[in-house]
Amino acid sequence: NAGVTQTPKFQVLKTGQSMTLQCAQDMNHNSMYWYRQDPGMGLRLIYYSASEGTTDKGEVPNGYNVSRLNKREFSLRLESAAPSQTSVYFCASSGVTGLYGYTFGSGTRLTVV
Amino acid sequence: QKEVEQNSGPLSVPEGAIASLNCTYSDRVSQSFFWYRQYSGKSPELIMSIYSNGDKEDGRFTAQLNKASQYVSLLIRDSQPSDSATYLCAVVEETSYDKVIFGPGTSLSVIP
Repeated sequence: NAGVTQTPKFQVLKTGQSMTLQCAQDMNHNSMYWYRQDPGMGLRLIYYSASEGTTDKGEVPNGYNVSRLNKREFSLRLESAAPSQTSVYFCASSGVTGLYGYTFGSGTRLTVV
Repeated sequence: QKEVEQNSGPLSVPEGAIASLNCTYSDRVSQSFFWYRQYSGKSPELIMSIYSNGDKEDGRFTAQLNKASQYVSLLIRDSQPSDSATYLCAVVEETSYDKVIFGPGTSLSVIP
């Protein structure tokens, strides 16, 4: 099925551990995004990639790194997890820019203890 | 920082009624506006986009845009229990990468 695939769906980490969230889309979209969603805070942009080979910081990039591996894949890495990074993470993609709306992945629920 | 504001709710309406969801935004140059529906524990799903002043209808959904008042709304006619969800308003801030700013969402509950 066409869309945005995220893995894993759930993860529990201990403080200081690292992990990579994977995202892949098969819609031939140029732009990809990582958001986090927290109660009362809404969706906040962590990093985005406007096209293959480029990445830029969003609103809340501290503690995260990203890699646009190719046109399909955009990964998010937590190098040293902190409890403040407990959140639901969504990957999204769009055709050219954000002007036509996003398609979201199913999300990753991350808990850092 | 541009802002998008919504009433957090919860908004409760009886089945069959019209649900009205409102959103205001601070960026006067925004040209693209969206409504996403998010069921509990699921990801946001794009349900409406609107780019010009006036109304846009799609089935039971109508989006209304008034750029002068910086106001966008979503009407859901003949509300069904399956419409119970959080509705996110999103506005494009026309930067170099067309940044999308999301509102905090309005929780809608349709009572059978």
